[in-house]
This record gives sequence, C-alpha cells and structure tokens, in this order.
Amino acid sequence: DQQVKQNSPSLSVQEGRISILNCDYTNSMFDYFLWYKKYPAEGPTFLISISSIKDKNEDGRFTVFLNKSAKHLSLHIVPSQPGDSAVYFCAARGTNAGKSTFGDGTTLTVKP
Amino acid sequence: GAGVSQSPSNKVTEKGKDVELRCDPISGHTALYWYRQSLGQGLEFLIYFQGNSAPDKSGLPSDRFSAERTGGSVSTLTIQRTQQEDSAVYLCASSYAGTGNEKLFFGSGTQLSVL
Repeated sequence: DQQVKQNSPSLSVQEGRISILNCDYTNSMFDYFLWYKKYPAEGPTFLISISSIKDKNEDGRFTVFLNKSAKHLSLHIVPSQPGDSAVYFCAARGTNAGKSTFGDGTTLTVKP
Repeated sequence: GAGVSQSPSNKVTEKGKDVELRCDPISGHTALYWYRQSLGQGLEFLIYFQGNSAPDKSGLPSDRFSAERTGGSVSTLTIQRTQQEDSAVYLCASSYAGTGNEKLFFGSGTQLSVL
C-alpha cells in the first residue's frame, strides 16, 4: 500500500509559466510534508516543507499548499525556469519522526 | 566533511557476491537513513538509525540486507549473496536529530549493478 502518491510521472511547461506538482497521501498520522528536488547523478536536495498546522508555505518562487481534509498537497513554481527541470519528490513524516515516506517522483521539464 | 559522503559511487558485482556500501554522514547529525531507488521508481526506505536507539529495520527487503552504524557516525550497508533485483542506487541521508520537521541531507548515492 503506497502511502504517498504522485500520480503524474511527468510534467512539461513553458519557461515563465506556472508548474503545479501534486501529491496525495493516505496516512492521517503524517503531519509534516517536504518536497525534494533531484538532478541526475545527485542525491535529492530539500526544497520546501509544510507542517500540518498550516495550509500554505511560501519561499521565493516556490509555494506548497496543504489540504488536510483531502490529504492532498501541491507544489507551485512561479515563474518556472529551465533550471527547475528535475525530478521532484514529495515526502511525509509523522510526529514521532523516524523514516520519511516518499512518492515515486514527478519529472518536470521546463522548456525555454 | 561538508556533506554526506558515500562510497563507492559505482559498484559492479557478480550475482552471489557480497557488497558493502559506506556512508559518512554530516558531522553532528545523530540520525542516519538508507534508501534505495530502483530504475524508474521512487525512494524506498531501508533502515533508520537514531542515536543509541535500536535501528528501525522495517524496510530491509530480506535477511540478505544488514546495516550497522559504528560510533554513531559512519554506516555500512551490507548486501549478501547479491541478486540482479538488488541493482539500484543506494542513497544515504542524515539529519540533525531525526525530528519530524527536519529535512534530510542526502549523499550522491552508490549505483549498484549486479550482473
């Protein structure tokens, strides 16, 4: 049973437009959510996070929205840049921390 | 070092051989994690170490897999009698205290190929 799902394996957008990456989860014990970005041949790097007590967190061009009732979160990138082309992973953790559970990732391609 | 260091970066082995993968976490980080990413898949949790607590081994796929963390720092992931399905990128990560709101710092991974 996959507890964190990213249903879109890939997304392609034009430079300057908005990129929206989606993530759904099933475990109601998750209360902290993180997005990581991964370039080829590198490990994932942290991008932005949100606690379950919030519904929005913004950092520059990146905004994460959380809808707890729907168990859904999304990452918005505005404006998208070619350097944003990477694999984006959604991850979730519970209060007691320990392991993070990751989705399968969404490959974002931003076309110049 | 400044980041999480993993070695080797690439490992090619024959089916049935044992392999050891090494992870050197960020200095001062008490939590250490191993994940693997098979081709076209997401990150699969393997094992988690936090301080002196018993490790969370719930993600290890079989008893051929084991890991240890010596002195609360360096960790070694051992795969015995490797199989072709073990081929993947093995990623190590560390964090300061393993609390829920912490981000993980990942190494670049070890690409394991079992022929």
